[in-house]
Amino acid sequence: DAKTTQPPSMDCAEGRAANLPCNHSTISGNEYVYWYRQIHSQGPQYIIHGLKNNETNEMASLIITEDRKSSTLILPHATLRDTAVYYCIVRVAPIQGAQKLVFGQGTRLTINP
Amino acid sequence: GAGVSQTPSNKVTEKGKYVELRCDPISGHTALYWYRQSLGQGPEFLIYFQGTGAADDSGLPNDRFFAVRPEGSVSTLKIQRTERGDSAVYLCATSSVGWTGELFFGEGSRLTVL
Repeated sequence: DAKTTQPPSMDCAEGRAANLPCNHSTISGNEYVYWYRQIHSQGPQYIIHGLKNNETNEMASLIITEDRKSSTLILPHATLRDTAVYYCIVRVAPIQGAQKLVFGQGTRLTINP
Repeated sequence: GAGVSQTPSNKVTEKGKYVELRCDPISGHTALYWYRQSLGQGPEFLIYFQGTGAADDSGLPNDRFFAVRPEGSVSTLKIQRTERGDSAVYLCATSSVGWTGELFFGEGSRLTVL
């Protein structure tokens, strides 16, 4: 699996958009970008994933650059409950069989009141 | 229950003892993963099962660690001769084999080796 690079920490004001960057310059053509987050003392939680098109769901938006070497996770209106560690992961889509996720250090996002 | 269940939630043991950690998956999920997370670090992959068989055990740190999933549902992570360095949160995750590849994680079992 390709490696990712994320800033170790970020701060964001409550109610503002939180934009979390991720670099994955060695991503392969068949690898997807996944985002998970981990709130303190809980297991990681899936947020969103994408291949090359921008994606949006009820939790967040994912913007992937045209060359696919980087992406940004956007939390449009951050709340205090969004304080967590956010992990960006790249992996081949599990069309057949299961495959492991390889976690890095992630970005510790703190939402300030 | 609806989610992945892990027991015990907390386990304190003495160095050298044997420990078992249990994971009850979401019903119907065929893939099951074990991860270990030390303080301040991301989850570290240990092993995953596809059905009853271990499809990838490359993350097990040494032969003191072993995991089973005899009937393709519940899994047990077994640690022999525990060491203080084994202290961590052990996370279990499951998924159905499908397009999204989303993993559902349990709350973890916190192991403390004194």
